[in-house]
Amino acid sequence: KAGVTQTPRYLIKTRGQQVTLSCSPISGHRSVSWYQQTPGQGLQFLFEYFSETQRNKGNFPGRFSGRQFSNSRSEMNVSTLELGDSALYLCASSLIPGGSNQPQHFGDGTRLSIL
Amino acid sequence: QQQVKQSPQSLIVQKGGISIINCAYENTAFDYFPWYQQFPGKGPALLIAIRPDVSEKKEGRFTISFNKSANQFSLHIMDSQPGDSATYFCAASGGSNYKLTFGKGTLLTVNP
Repeated sequence: KAGVTQTPRYLIKTRGQQVTLSCSPISGHRSVSWYQQTPGQGLQFLFEYFSETQRNKGNFPGRFSGRQFSNSRSEMNVSTLELGDSALYLCASSLIPGGSNQPQHFGDGTRLSIL
Repeated sequence: QQQVKQSPQSLIVQKGGISIINCAYENTAFDYFPWYQQFPGKGPALLIAIRPDVSEKKEGRFTISFNKSANQFSLHIMDSQPGDSATYFCAASGGSNYKLTFGKGTLLTVNP
């Protein structure tokens, strides 16, 4: 069974640009969560989608947004990029919304660098 | 506010030794506690998880010990191997919020 697939793996952008990252969950998984990983802040929750609806949102500015399609694939978008947005963006999927007894499986992430 | 505190930040163990990583949480609504292992250039991989209705769970060389009264849980890696060298994250979730709240991570180095 294929794991969580994230594309692209690496991305270089400049300040002020916008970026869209893609995530294909494990087949049959319907919940997708996004996390930002940085050396200073560690792993921080961005948002979670289930059945094309955002169910939960972390403490990030409105420049960070996402969506989920009917096939459970998800995209996240970051507009007006700032230097501090440089990070590894991770997608995790689970059968149904995560939490108790619902393991979340991560992809290998998209490394976003802002110049 | 850091809801899951993980220690130590880094750990060096000799091959064959026991690696111990500790985590403490503040939110008593948490009811699911997974551990993840991350190698450089890879995403976190689920290692083992526990719920608070059990005090210990073992899978191979990996054991989670859970102390509900102290709001603490720990990962023990028995017979540590160089291939175990990675960053380990504890996490917690539960209540009305399904998101995973992660500890800051522990960089484990197992010397041959």
